[in-house]
Amino acid sequence: DIQMTQSPSSLSASVGDRVTITCQASQDISNYLNWYQQKPGKAPKLLIYDASNLETGVPSRFSGSGSGTDFTFTISSLQPEDIATYYCQQYDNLLLQLTFGGGTKVEIK
Amino acid sequence: QLQLQESGPGLVKPSETLSLTCTVSGGSISSSSYYWGWIRQPPGKGLEWIGSIYYSGSTYYNPSLKSRVTISVDTSKNQFSLKLSSVTAADTAVYYCARQCKWLVDYFDYWGQGTLVTVSS
Repeated sequence: DIQMTQSPSSLSASVGDRVTITCQASQDISNYLNWYQQKPGKAPKLLIYDASNLETGVPSRFSGSGSGTDFTFTISSLQPEDIATYYCQQYDNLLLQLTFGGGTKVEIK
Repeated sequence: QLQLQESGPGLVKPSETLSLTCTVSGGSISSSSYYWGWIRQPPGKGLEWIGSIYYSGSTYYNPSLKSRVTISVDTSKNQFSLKLSSVTAADTAVYYCARQCKWLVDYFDYWGQGTLVTVSS
């Protein structure tokens, strides 16, 4: 099974700060990596698919990069409405498996 | 606008079978390029994919749950369902159903609101 290690598990930043979250796969997953935002009491929302593609309607301050085993999710300028937990998710179409990272809780300092 | 809604008992006794249904509205469950999935989230914890189904009935499951999970589809009702057998307190979670795009990509783009299922006697 492919394991996803997401870090940090939580962070606190000021409005306007650049925020970076990383996700590391236990083996090469090419660019098969998605990012979701989950606000308290709500279902997750897709932000980025295939490592770097912004989902329609998602603000451009969100971005993703990486390939292989190392991936990065960035919020270029943190806004109050970005307070949420962010999850990475990998997929393997050969093994037909899908795994979420452990999540990163983002708070305002 | 596509909508998904989970339904089923909110309380299940240990060793019994958890059963949930997801009703899809605003679109057809028989659309090509889409699978339909179940994901759960224990209170205060992260997301865990349970399994997915195509409208034809083709399924694939999380290996850690495979022995206890059955996902089925009823295209006439635009619904798909989850059964999880021999439940324990560890199966207490919010259960989400979601649409899974699988044409050249693989992600969940539409989600239900989630339903809390508690396993307790």
